[in-house]
This record gives sequence, structure tokens and C-alpha cells, in this order.
Amino acid sequence: SQKIEQNSEALNIQEGKTATLTCNYTNYSPAYLQWYRQDPGRGPVFLLLIRENEKEKRKERLKVTFDTTLKQSLFHITASQPADSATYLCALDKPTGGSYIPTFGRGTSLIVHP
Amino acid sequence: KAGVTQTPRYLIKTRGQQVTLSCSPISGHRSVSWYQQTPGQGLQFLFEYFSETQRNKGNFPGRFSGRQFSNSRSEMNVSTLELGDSALYLCASSLEGMGNTEAFFGQGTRLTVV
Repeated sequence: SQKIEQNSEALNIQEGKTATLTCNYTNYSPAYLQWYRQDPGRGPVFLLLIRENEKEKRKERLKVTFDTTLKQSLFHITASQPADSATYLCALDKPTGGSYIPTFGRGTSLIVHP
Repeated sequence: KAGVTQTPRYLIKTRGQQVTLSCSPISGHRSVSWYQQTPGQGLQFLFEYFSETQRNKGNFPGRFSGRQFSNSRSEMNVSTLELGDSALYLCASSLEGMGNTEAFFGQGTRLTVV
């Protein structure tokens, strides 16, 4: 089965710096990879989706890369702000039965210090 | 537009009881997926319903079941509750299902089994 590894240790950075989060996976390369943000006690919020044939995707201060050779996705937040502090989850989608079954990583906690 | 609504937000049940959770998706979304989130296992896929049919199912025992109504609202049921069923239960709605479309999560139902 698919295994996803996200750094379990919290990432602490200073405001204004770029935060880089890692998502590594084993086995098959997914058709899609998604990144979500989750705040305590709330449901995840969709941030970005990248397809297997895409190398990079950007949205405002966010950037995702997808390297199917390394089986890795990197998630960058530039000019980070304290409001960016949250847990970030990556999810890999496996095509099944006409749809997709997502497998989520355990998430990495990001703490941005003012 | 209104987001995904889950009810109730909090629930306390006794071992052996059963529970029903409700999810109202975003208007126009035909896919509803359910997830269990625990500190030990992270976010795990339970099942997905699309146009009233279960399209995919995760690796959970038969005590976990669900259904979807013609208006896309969905319910999940857990029978013979165990202590280990204590978790945050999340539903997500999307136009066509996880994968290449954005999924919107509800706030979740926090279930505590005592």
C-alpha cells in the first residue's frame, strides 16, 4: 500500500522567510497530489493540486513541485506570516472504481514566529 | 455559497451504542467522502458516495456504513461503538470526487466513546 512521509517534527521559521515542507511517498506515483491546510479542531482546507505530468504549480505565495523520479513533492510558502501557522497535509490520489481514493500524510506543523 | 455542514459538532456515546452523523454538501456537489481522523492514524478514508451509490470504500470494518440521499446529503452510521472509534469524523464534498477536483471539508463531528 502507499506510504506517505511528512516530517513529523514541527517546522519553526521566522516571519518573512520561505517555509519548505516535504512529502515523500513509496510505491506507485499518484495521478494527482494535493496539499491541504488544517487548523486545530477544523477540517482541512484545499490549497493546491498538481498532476503527475506537471513539475510545478503556483498560487499567490504558494508553490508546489512534484518529482515523480524522487517520489517527492515540496510545498513552499514564501514571505511567511504568523497566520500561516497550521498543519499542512499532503494527499495522494489513487484511481479506483471510476474515482480516486486519497491517502493522506500525517501532516507537518508549521510555526511562523513574528 | 454555503460550505459543507456536518451535524452534530460534538457527540458522546457509550460503548455498544450506535451513532449516525450527517453531512450536507455544497449545493451542486454530487460526491461526498467520509474520513476518520485520530492522532494515532491520521486522516483515513472511510467511503465515498456519488449520486446515491457507494463508489469506493476504505479499509474499515462493516460496523461503519453510510448512505447518500437524492439531494446529495449523506449520513454515516457506526454500530456497536468501541472506544477506538473516538475520533474526528470529517466529510468532504466535491463536484466529481477526489482527484482532479477541489474537495471542501466540513468542520467535522468530534465523537467520544466512553
